[in-house]
Amino acid sequence: DAGVIQSPRHEVTEMGQEVTLRCKPISGHDYLFWYRQTMMRGLELLIYFNNNVPIDDSGMPEDRFSAKMPNASFSTLKIQPSEPRDSAVYFCASSLTPTDTQYFGPGTRLTVL
Amino acid sequence: GDSVTQMEGPVTLSEEAFLTINCTYTATGYPSLFWYVQYPGEGLQLLLKATKADDKGSNKGFEATYRKETTSFHLEKGSVQVSDSAVYFCALNLDSSYKLIFGSGTRLLVRP
Repeated sequence: DAGVIQSPRHEVTEMGQEVTLRCKPISGHDYLFWYRQTMMRGLELLIYFNNNVPIDDSGMPEDRFSAKMPNASFSTLKIQPSEPRDSAVYFCASSLTPTDTQYFGPGTRLTVL
Repeated sequence: GDSVTQMEGPVTLSEEAFLTINCTYTATGYPSLFWYVQYPGEGLQLLLKATKADDKGSNKGFEATYRKETTSFHLEKGSVQVSDSAVYFCALNLDSSYKLIFGSGTRLLVRP
């Protein structure tokens, strides 16, 4: 299996622009997680899906952030409009069950100028 | 609330030295405990885990024992290599929850 795939690996954009991050989970994994990693706050869970349905988005920082999972093999995290404080590494992870090992993708490093 | 505390880094060691990275936790239930490793430019990888008290997780020469009495899960390795240089995260997950709670991470630098 190729593991969790994320794209792009790096994204540089200007403040106010829309940013879309993409994730393909491991086939057969019913749970998908989006995390954000910053120096100040460490790793934070943003949102979690079960069978393509968002279960808990309490970690999403603001209405500017939205996430979708239109099918079992694809999820997006969108920021609109982006701000410099959104600069971080965003990770996607998937697992078989909610308490099973989570497998992480390589991350997307986002820089908002 | 539930939390994980790790020793602050960076930890700098010479090759073949003994490694200990301390991790303690606070949890209301009976958590599973994990160590994840993040190599430069990569995502997190599960290194080892333990699901109940007194369990020992081990992988690639690393070990950690789930100590309920001291609420600890310290990571150890008898002889580190340069290739072990990475950031190590301790984490917990309660049986009733999907949420992985991470420590702040400890950077390890191993010099030749």
